[in-house]
Amino acid sequence: EDKVVQSPLSLVVHEGDTVTLNCSYEVTNFRSLLWYKQEKKAPTFLFMLTSSGIEKKSGRLSSILDKKELFSILNITATQTGDSAVYLCVSRDNYGQNFVFGPGTRLSVLP
Amino acid sequence: EAGVAQSPRYKIIEKRQSVAFWCNPISGHATLYWYQQILGQGPKLLIQFQNNGVVDDSQLPKDRFSAERLKGVDSTLKIQPAKLEDSAVYLCASSLASPGRRGNSNTGELFFGEGSRLTVL
Repeated sequence: EDKVVQSPLSLVVHEGDTVTLNCSYEVTNFRSLLWYKQEKKAPTFLFMLTSSGIEKKSGRLSSILDKKELFSILNITATQTGDSAVYLCVSRDNYGQNFVFGPGTRLSVLP
Repeated sequence: EAGVAQSPRYKIIEKRQSVAFWCNPISGHATLYWYQQILGQGPKLLIQFQNNGVVDDSQLPKDRFSAERLKGVDSTLKIQPAKLEDSAVYLCASSLASPGRRGNSNTGELFFGEGSRLTVL
């Protein structure tokens, strides 16, 4: 059975800290890994990673995929209270139709 | 570009009552998904449509849940009768991906609606 595992499940930090969120996957016909940020509403897209070893960056957020070891990390530097959210890791299959979600990491950034 | 539309945003019902949620995906998106997200958990797939056909409904509790996408555009998810454990956010999502487009890295993203929060009392 396909599965996506995230760790930690919950994390509390202070503003300015750097955090690393982990995601590992066991998925057949794996194609890409996606990261989403979910505040109180619907998840919003952050990154899609398809190639191994190529870092994607957006401001203070960055992510990388290791297809050999079957994991990805999401880094957030200089965290702000607005980064408080649940971060979802999602695998996508080769046909682009099957998405498997991890349980999410709940990040709380304290002022 | 208009996003995925869902309604209602909130619904409170008593157990054994029925409820229906509506979703209109992004125009041109062939694939539509309904997810159930219980508080503190990641979204769980209930049903996936490709145009007006069902691709995967293996996790849909078919004794009480039903969904349709008759014209291959908007979709309705119904729960009848509702149970306490159905309290959750029901997320609708759509994507461009369609069968035969293998390895298409341009259409990997899921677009979500705002969700419909159901409380069953």
